[in-house]
Amino acid sequence: AQSVSQHNHHVILSEAASLELGCNYSYGGTVNLFWYVQYPGQHLQLLLKYFSGDPLVKGIKGFEAEFIKSKFSFNLRKPSVQWSDTAEYFCAVNARDTDKLIFGTGTRLQVFP
Amino acid sequence: EAGVAQSPRYKIIEKRQSVAFWCNPISGHATLYWYQQILGQGPKLLIQFQNNGVVDDSQLPKDRFSAERLKGVDSTLKIQPAKLEDSAVYLCASTPPGGNTEAFFGQGTRLTVV
Repeated sequence: AQSVSQHNHHVILSEAASLELGCNYSYGGTVNLFWYVQYPGQHLQLLLKYFSGDPLVKGIKGFEAEFIKSKFSFNLRKPSVQWSDTAEYFCAVNARDTDKLIFGTGTRLQVFP
Repeated sequence: EAGVAQSPRYKIIEKRQSVAFWCNPISGHATLYWYQQILGQGPKLLIQFQNNGVVDDSQLPKDRFSAERLKGVDSTLKIQPAKLEDSAVYLCASTPPGGNTEAFFGQGTRLTVV
């Protein structure tokens, strides 16, 4: 069965610190991978996506993610966070053969100035 | 291009009442998803349609939830009767045929059951 795990439930950082949020998935077939962000009181916004090719993908607002197929992982990174990055971050996996799209439980990021 | 439209934006009902949500996906999008997002949690897939057929409804509480997508375009999600734990944002999303694209989400319907 298809599943997504986000191990960090709540992360607290100071501004300028580096960020890495973990995402692991379970699925036997080919997948598309996504990171979404949800700012307080707002709706889901796509940060970045991976379909194929270079496993290191760059998204908006300085975020990037690396797909490591052997580890079934798609971790999100940012070298230097800002207070405005305070939000909930969701990893999502889309199985290409069924088009089923499921989300992880999310990681709440708090950045203090 | 117009986005995914959902209505209503907000709904407050008493427990045991019924409620319906409507979604109009982007024109031409074959796949339509309904998600339930409880406060502080990730979106949970309730049902996935491919055109007007159900692909996956394994997480849909079928004793009280129902959904349909007549003619493979608009979709409605109904809850009858509602419980307090159904309070959540209900999100609709769609994707075009062919794969390798992200899902496009509607604004969601925030349901409060009192």
